[in-house]
Amino acid sequence: DAGITQSPRHKVTETGTPVTLRCHQTENHRYMYWYRQDPGHGLRLIHYSYGVKDTDKGEVSDGYSVSRSKTEDFLLTLESATSSQTSVYFCAIRDGVPYEQYFGPGTRLTVT
Amino acid sequence: QKEVEQNSGPLSVPEGAIASLNCTYSDRGSQSFFWYRQYSGKSPELIMFIYSNGDKEDGRFTAQLNKASQYVSLLIRDSQPSDSATYLCAVNPRGGDKIIFGKGTRLHILP
Repeated sequence: DAGITQSPRHKVTETGTPVTLRCHQTENHRYMYWYRQDPGHGLRLIHYSYGVKDTDKGEVSDGYSVSRSKTEDFLLTLESATSSQTSVYFCAIRDGVPYEQYFGPGTRLTVT
Repeated sequence: QKEVEQNSGPLSVPEGAIASLNCTYSDRGSQSFFWYRQYSGKSPELIMFIYSNGDKEDGRFTAQLNKASQYVSLLIRDSQPSDSATYLCAVNPRGGDKIIFGKGTRLHILP
């Protein structure tokens, strides 16, 4: 399972509240990714990190921020949650040569 | 805009038959190609990857790549009910840090 955990696994929150999702990996991978998955849209990249304190945007980054202060943890923050951010969020790590991604178990977020 | 296209399905295949899943991509310079399987309510699981033109076999799975036609496929031989899932095609354009996913094809194996 590539040693990836996500927390929380389920969360219900109200519109306008801040939310932070955590991705934790145990195998010292340099690259980590946050995706959201919605019916009809598939998997879309939010942000990714290529090292401690090194991050870049994906295709749907508006309304999200990320931080990576140590190799094993990659945090995704919704500063002020909106109903459009109701989704399943997956974290992934990159491994292999030249390129393979492995996913964590996901977090189901509902914004009411 | 780089795109990865898949037929959404559902694709229904009798148990024991060959399931054929197809994917096209827009970026001719794409270098790496992946197939993920996703069961309902679960995370995507990498099942095959291919980098060179031709076929790559792993057990009951065969990935086929044709870069000239910008086409990648996944064949599942001797289909089992446990193969019923959504299959995601993914492409790494030009060796960059990101991969682009198709929206997936739902496969239903009929007992």
